[in-house]
Amino acid sequence: DSGVTQTPKHLITATGQRVTLRCSPRSGDLSVYWYQQSLDQGLQFLIQYYNGEERAKGNILERFSAQQFPDLHSELNLSSLELGDSALYFCASSVGGSINYEQYFGPGTRLTVT
Amino acid sequence: DQQVKQNSPSLSVQEGRISILNCDYTNSMFDYFLWYKKYPAEGPTFLISISSIKDKNEDGRFTVFLNKSAKHLSLHIVPSQPGDSAVYFCAAPDNYGQNFVFGPGTRLSVLP
Repeated sequence: DSGVTQTPKHLITATGQRVTLRCSPRSGDLSVYWYQQSLDQGLQFLIQYYNGEERAKGNILERFSAQQFPDLHSELNLSSLELGDSALYFCASSVGGSINYEQYFGPGTRLTVT
Repeated sequence: DQQVKQNSPSLSVQEGRISILNCDYTNSMFDYFLWYKKYPAEGPTFLISISSIKDKNEDGRFTVFLNKSAKHLSLHIVPSQPGDSAVYFCAAPDNYGQNFVFGPGTRLSVLP
């Protein structure tokens, strides 16, 4: 158990809908990362927050947004969902905000868009 | 942009033998690399890292080698065990040294 929790585990929704994925980092970790893993692909970095502020942005679509709250949990909002958004979404956390800190991953949320 | 390639989507090895997983990257501005292991229905877990001050890092049965001139990493598992069966991802820093770019993964099957 990495100490990173993600809810829900599974989510099935229809095209055009909006969903929110939630992540609680390990105790003491200030940085949260979101990744998308589509079928047979690697982990695609979406966005990083550090202590409530956006730190880095990857290949995140404009339909997607995220935030990190004062208690350091984070939410990833996906809107106007398309079939191609079906994927595993992982959250990771680390103590610091740079690459020198190991990232601990949550178990993921499997999103299915029908 | 940094690109990370793991050219073997899958690898099968007999229990007790050596497993060698390879990874190539394109941008060597920041020489710090990670390997993660992922079991089904779980998130990736950190396995081992290496930085440019070394060309080898060892942790028990796992050794990572870095060839900076070739921009190549390899992970050796000796001896391989059935519990090592998982997907292995290598990760290299992006162009700005802010985050990691992950390869597509290699699925290792260790046969008893």
